[in-house]
Amino acid sequence: GAVVSQHPSRVICKSGTSVKIECRSLDFQATTMFWYRQFPKQSLMLMATSNEGSKATYEQGVEKDKFLINHASLTLSTLTVTSAHPEDSSFYICSATLGGLADTQYFGPGTRLTVL
Amino acid sequence: SQQGEEDPQALSIQEGENATMNCSYKTSINNLQWYRQNSGRGLVHLILIRSNEREKHSGRLRVTLDTSKKSSSLLITASRAADTASYFCATDDRGSTLGRLYFGRGTQLTVWP
Repeated sequence: GAVVSQHPSRVICKSGTSVKIECRSLDFQATTMFWYRQFPKQSLMLMATSNEGSKATYEQGVEKDKFLINHASLTLSTLTVTSAHPEDSSFYICSATLGGLADTQYFGPGTRLTVL
Repeated sequence: SQQGEEDPQALSIQEGENATMNCSYKTSINNLQWYRQNSGRGLVHLILIRSNEREKHSGRLRVTLDTSKKSSSLLITASRAADTASYFCATDDRGSTLGRLYFGRGTQLTVWP
């Protein structure tokens, strides 16, 4: 149980285009989903917290107009990287919780974004 | 930054040996979690230890937590080549109502057969 999927697993795009990444909880309803990015050999940096039916909460330094998050249902959150640039190339990982403050986060397999 | 910091950054051992990784953090927490990540993959949850717990076991894993020192350790006993991965500690924020997690930089563990 508690499986989280991401799609696509890899994406290569040209500079200036927008890319949408989906995060789905497959066998549970996730009130809250989180988006992280990870540069090679570095830690996961929390980008934003996504709650179903409300606006995402962004971490300091993360541009909300650049990284659009939509959490339309209890099983789906999307991250759109708008007008992507090479510096946006990274590994994007989402996670979802079953609920509660001190709950385990279940992570998706990640999406490797490469912007040419 | 609230992020934990793992020590060492890299650890290389032989199969059968024990591996110990340490994590320090900065703020008050509700719980601390350890995750593992294989190269280029997502994270796998290993174990969660709550702030009122001092030690927890799960199979070959042993986690300790010292809230007075704001530190935790992860011990993997009788390591196997398949344990090769990056290991991260993650802390929440006691003052946060959103359940956010903050990750350390990780320890890259290599277990040689």
